[in-house]
Amino acid sequence: DSGVTQTPKHLITATGQRVTLRCSPRSGDLSVYWYQQSLDQGLQFLIQYYNGEERAKGNILERFSAQQFPDLHSELNLSSLELGDSALYFCASSVDPGQGEKLFFGSGTQLSVL
Amino acid sequence: GEDVEQSLFLSVREGDSSVINCTYTDSSSTYLYWYKQEPGAGLQLLTYIFSNMDMKQDQRLTVLLNKKDKHLSLRIADTQTGDSAIYFCAVKSGGSYIPTFGRGTSLIVHP
Repeated sequence: DSGVTQTPKHLITATGQRVTLRCSPRSGDLSVYWYQQSLDQGLQFLIQYYNGEERAKGNILERFSAQQFPDLHSELNLSSLELGDSALYFCASSVDPGQGEKLFFGSGTQLSVL
Repeated sequence: GEDVEQSLFLSVREGDSSVINCTYTDSSSTYLYWYKQEPGAGLQLLTYIFSNMDMKQDQRLTVLLNKKDKHLSLRIADTQTGDSAIYFCAVKSGGSYIPTFGRGTSLIVHP
């Protein structure tokens, strides 16, 4: 168990809908990362937060947004969902960016858009 | 940006050594990692190496780094069926907080 908790584990929804994925980092970790894993794209970095502030942005679509709350949990919001958004979404956390970024991953949320 | 390449599949016999290879493009890479993903699970950090090191050994795992060729390898000695998983190489450049991941190598261990 990595200590990173993601909910829900599975999500099935329809095109055009909006969903929220939730992540609780390991105790003491200030940084949260969101990744999307799909067969054709591999593991794609979406966005990183550090202590409530956005730190880095990757290949995140405009329909997607995220935030990190004062208690350090994070949410990834996906809207106007398309079939191609079906993927496994991972959250990861680390203690201190700039010191090696050893990431601890949650078990992921499997999103299926029908 | 950084580009990280791995072969997609590797098949070995139980008890043999496995060698998973990775190449990267950014010569300013500082940290290089190997992660393991078992079915239905997230990625788990196996080991990592600093760019000023050539080799790191941790029990059955040996990481070799050739900075000149920008080549990283993970050797698993005495491979067991429980080692069957997807192995990801990841590289962090000096100017970035974000490790770039390869697409992963599926290691299949057969009796």
